[in-house]
Amino acid sequence: TQLLEQSPQFLSIQEGENLTVYCNSSSVFSSLQWYRQEPGEGPVLLVTVVTGGEVKKLKRLTFQFGDARKDSSLHITAAQPGDTGLYLCARLEYGNKLVFGAGTILRVKS
Amino acid sequence: NAGVMQNPRHLVRRRGQEARLRCSPMKGHSHVYWYRQLPEEGLKFMVYLQKENIIDESGMPKERFSAEFPKEGPSILRIQQVVRGDSAAYFCASSPAGTGANVLTFGAGSRLTVL
Repeated sequence: TQLLEQSPQFLSIQEGENLTVYCNSSSVFSSLQWYRQEPGEGPVLLVTVVTGGEVKKLKRLTFQFGDARKDSSLHITAAQPGDTGLYLCARLEYGNKLVFGAGTILRVKS
Repeated sequence: NAGVMQNPRHLVRRRGQEARLRCSPMKGHSHVYWYRQLPEEGLKFMVYLQKENIIDESGMPKERFSAEFPKEGPSILRIQQVVRGDSAAYFCASSPAGTGANVLTFGAGSRLTVL
């Protein structure tokens, strides 16, 4: 199983700033999912990307899947304290098994 | 329309005791998955079950851990003779059969502390 590397591990920014977090692998993904997990809760699915070069938007969040389907990024515009959480990328493998990266902890200060 | 329900939310056990974690999937979901999240680590797949069947248990430790999803009632993850290293958050997820099977809904988790 190829690992998913997420960067940065930790990010602390001021409200209103923009940020980008990354998810990379040495192997090709068939599809990639992004989740957000808040303290004391389970992960919540944000988006699934399938096609190389695909861009999906969810309000202030923009998700991009690399052309070669080996990497993905999540860009947040004008971050708010409510965006604070652990952002996880996950690759879907055969049999609905998700392989998660270690995540990026985002803290948005007001 | 309740989501994935896990209980207990918090469980404290002494070394050598048994831990039983329960998961009721979302209504209409027939697939259940268990994941473990250790401190400072990501979520790791443990087991995938359908009613009365274990589909994939490749992530389950070989000893002391077992899972079931009976015809009636919740799925249960059982850890016998717990050790301190079992302390973690255990998450259950469920999905429907068919084309939506790759959309997992997670519960809020059960946090096990072994003293």
